Amino acid sequence: AQTVTQSQPEMSVQEAETVTLSCTYDTSESNYYLFWYKQPPSRQMILVIRQEAYKQQNATENRFSVNFQKAAKSFSLKISDSQLGDTAMYFCAFIESGGGADGLTFGKGTHLIIQP
Amino acid sequence: NAGVTQTPKFQVLKTGQSMTLQCAQDMNHNSMYWYRQDPGMGLRLIYYSASEGTTDKGEVPNGYNVSRLNKREFSLRLESAAPSQTSVYFCASSDPLGGASFYSNQPQHFGDGTRLSIL
Repeated sequence: AQTVTQSQPEMSVQEAETVTLSCTYDTSESNYYLFWYKQPPSRQMILVIRQEAYKQQNATENRFSVNFQKAAKSFSLKISDSQLGDTAMYFCAFIESGGGADGLTFGKGTHLIIQP
Repeated sequence: NAGVTQTPKFQVLKTGQSMTLQCAQDMNHNSMYWYRQDPGMGLRLIYYSASEGTTDKGEVPNGYNVSRLNKREFSLRLESAAPSQTSVYFCASSDPLGGASFYSNQPQHFGDGTRLSIL
């Protein structure tokens, strides 16, 4: 079974700074997808960014980008020019390509606080 | 555009009581899921249904039962609630990998969650 580890329970940065959230995972699969989800206090689960394991290019979405290191099984999220609205729980998640109906495997989350 | 609708949003139960959490989606997705979220933990899969008429256990199925009533609805039942089942419960739906919606902005659509407290 796959596991997802987020080693930073909480992080705090000043507005406009850049912050990087860490995620490592363990799987024997070669084809899979990785995601970062944001959960604000409203409890909504909002997809921030995704990465297909077969793609070497790191995904980017506006201020959000990832550093995907397949050999190291590492998938970190970088938030540039952080904003107060980025304050939330962030979850790294994994799904293997062969078991798309099996649901996502989540890490325990990182609570990100953006200070004014 | 409702997406995934969960009812109720909040519930307080006594130990030993039973209840059913309801979930409905209007996106014609084949797969549906129930997750629980505990403090300091990510979401953990309780049960899933790959398609209408099928259900399978996830990571933490003990103490729960599910019913895939039709393609739209997937309910979660607690037969005899225990304090350890105090949690926030999320329902989600998706197409499997290879389905069109999986490659959309939201591969899994989540409901707003049900906060369940068991005393």
